[in-house]
Amino acid sequence: EAGVAQSPRYKIIEKRQSVAFWCNPISGHATLYWYQQILGQGPKLLIQFQNNGVVDDSQLPKDRFSAERLKGVDSTLKIQPAKLEDSAVYLCASRSNEQFFGPGTRLTVL
Amino acid sequence: AQTVTQSQPEMSVQEAETVTLSCTYDTSESDYYLFWYKQPPSRQMILVIRQEAYKQQNATENRFSVNFQKAAKSFSLKISDSQLGDAAMYFCAYRSAGVYGQNFVFGPGTRLSVLP
Repeated sequence: EAGVAQSPRYKIIEKRQSVAFWCNPISGHATLYWYQQILGQGPKLLIQFQNNGVVDDSQLPKDRFSAERLKGVDSTLKIQPAKLEDSAVYLCASRSNEQFFGPGTRLTVL
Repeated sequence: AQTVTQSQPEMSVQEAETVTLSCTYDTSESDYYLFWYKQPPSRQMILVIRQEAYKQQNATENRFSVNFQKAAKSFSLKISDSQLGDAAMYFCAYRSAGVYGQNFVFGPGTRLSVLP
């Protein structure tokens, strides 16, 4: 069974630039999560999708972050414009019964 | 809102010995799940063990077992016969069992070192 795929694995941008991350969940997993993991901390949920609908986006900074899962499969997370404090690893996870994580995208904002 | 606390930022254990990682949580819900996740230096998070709050029996997975104390809201992880490959960050996590809002709340993590 293929795991959760994410790309890119690494991204370096300057502040005020835009960036997008892509996630392909495990086939058949209706629930998809995006997390932000700042160095030395545990993952913090940004948004949860159930199929193509948003279940919880209460911790998503909506003035600069957006996410979509148009066909209920792949998802993209965008940051526009990026700030220095957005430097983190962005983890995607999908769940049917158990939650499986992707390898993450390490974002560095200079 | 639920919170998860891990009071040990770092722990170390000698190879083949036993170590216990602590976790406490706060919730007003009666039905929920608790998890321990492992994140090796490669950063791919993997599930170690899971506990349903309605089960009194502590979960066990090979060398990994938990001590779940529901009244005390405590959920510790015991690793027996520690191996070098156990070295990683360990995160305790909570998830509501409700129909909606089944998001995960993670603790800050404990970095485990295994000494040869």
